[in-house]
Amino acid sequence: GAVVSQHPSRVICKSGTSVKIECRSLDFQATTMFWYRQFPKQSLMLMATSNEGSKATYEQGVEKDKFLINHASLTLSTLTVTSAHPEDSSFYICSASGGLALLYEQYFGPGTRLTVT
Amino acid sequence: KNQVEQSPQSLIILEGKNCTLQCNYTVSPFSNLRWYKQDTGRGPVSLTIMTFSENTKSNGRYTATLDADTKQSSLHITASQLSDSASYICVVLNTNAGKSTFGDGTTLTVKP
Repeated sequence: GAVVSQHPSRVICKSGTSVKIECRSLDFQATTMFWYRQFPKQSLMLMATSNEGSKATYEQGVEKDKFLINHASLTLSTLTVTSAHPEDSSFYICSASGGLALLYEQYFGPGTRLTVT
Repeated sequence: KNQVEQSPQSLIILEGKNCTLQCNYTVSPFSNLRWYKQDTGRGPVSLTIMTFSENTKSNGRYTATLDADTKQSSLHITASQLSDSASYICVVLNTNAGKSTFGDGTTLTVKP
């Protein structure tokens, strides 16, 4: 099956710093990638959708200047949390879809646990 | 409004027993419905994906059903194992918007 990786799996940073999370599709070309955040005991909340080579589409209430998304290639998307604050601490998950065989299927990465101190 | 409601919110069963999780949705127009298993601290893993014309689909001990008329789906787990303890999430894709609506999940705990 299709595999999506995320790096790092866990990151701790100080308040005010920026953190970059990578999402890679390992064995398929991801025309669309999605970024979610998940708080404890809650469902996934979509933050933004990105298509390769174009600007990401952010969900209402998500600050595009704070959560920078880059989808520069068909196998890599990055999420940068700028000027992180403790309230940004969460579980960030990416997913990817693409290609006829993978039409409409989303493959999720293992997630990145961000802790801002 | 596109919604996906799952029940029960949580469920505790004994190892070896069967259980059924429910998913009702109002998403329209409907493209497909997916069930995912999410272990604590991990990303969701796909169990089944069902389109409009499919009524039943199995994946090992997991069997999903879909009634597109009543907009209901179920996930049946047979002979549960301790490793089945996880959150099970129902996701419905809206054709027009190309967006997925997530249910809040059912937390299943399998006890020895």
